[in-house]
Amino acid sequence: DAKTTQPPSMDCAEGRAANLPCNHSTISGNEYVYWYRQIHSQGPQYIIHGLKNNETNEMASLIITEDRKSSTLILPHATLRDTAVYYCIVRVAMGHTSGGSYIPTFGRGTSLIVHP
Amino acid sequence: DTGVSQDPRHKITKRGQNVTFRCDPISEHNRLYWYRQTLGQGPEFLTYFQNEAQLEKSRLLSDRFSAERPKGSFSTLEIQRTEQGDSAMYLCASSTRQGSHEQYFGPGTRLTVT
Repeated sequence: DAKTTQPPSMDCAEGRAANLPCNHSTISGNEYVYWYRQIHSQGPQYIIHGLKNNETNEMASLIITEDRKSSTLILPHATLRDTAVYYCIVRVAMGHTSGGSYIPTFGRGTSLIVHP
Repeated sequence: DTGVSQDPRHKITKRGQNVTFRCDPISEHNRLYWYRQTLGQGPEFLTYFQNEAQLEKSRLLSDRFSAERPKGSFSTLEIQRTEQGDSAMYLCASSTRQGSHEQYFGPGTRLTVT
């Protein structure tokens, strides 16, 4: 799997956009970019994923560069409850039987602190 | 609450004892995953099931670890002859249908081996 590089920590003011970068310069053509987050003392939570195109859902937007070597997760209006560790993961499906399964390999992530 | 539950939430045991954890996934999910997380690190994949079949095991899953999902519903993870290095958070996740990108994680079981 491609390795990812994320800043160890970031901070953001409440109500502002939080832009979390991720570098995955060795990503291959069939690898997806995933973002999960983990709030203290909870299990990880899926946020969003993408392959080539930018994606948006109710939680966040994912911007993937044209060469796919980096991406940015955008939380448009950060709240105090968005304080968490954010993991950027690149992954192909693990092939077993038909369909495969996307099993994320987590690194250390970025610790985002949203302050008042 | 994601709908994935784990029991117990905390377990303290003495070195050399056996421990067993339980995970109840979301009922319609046929895929179940186990991870281990140590302090300051992201979760590390241990193993996963599709229904009752264990399809993948990580090198982290030594012969002291065994996981089962006998009826394709709940799963158990047993650690025999626990060591202090086994102290960690053990996370369970589930997902639906083949090729699903999204996993739903439980709250985890925190194991402390003294």
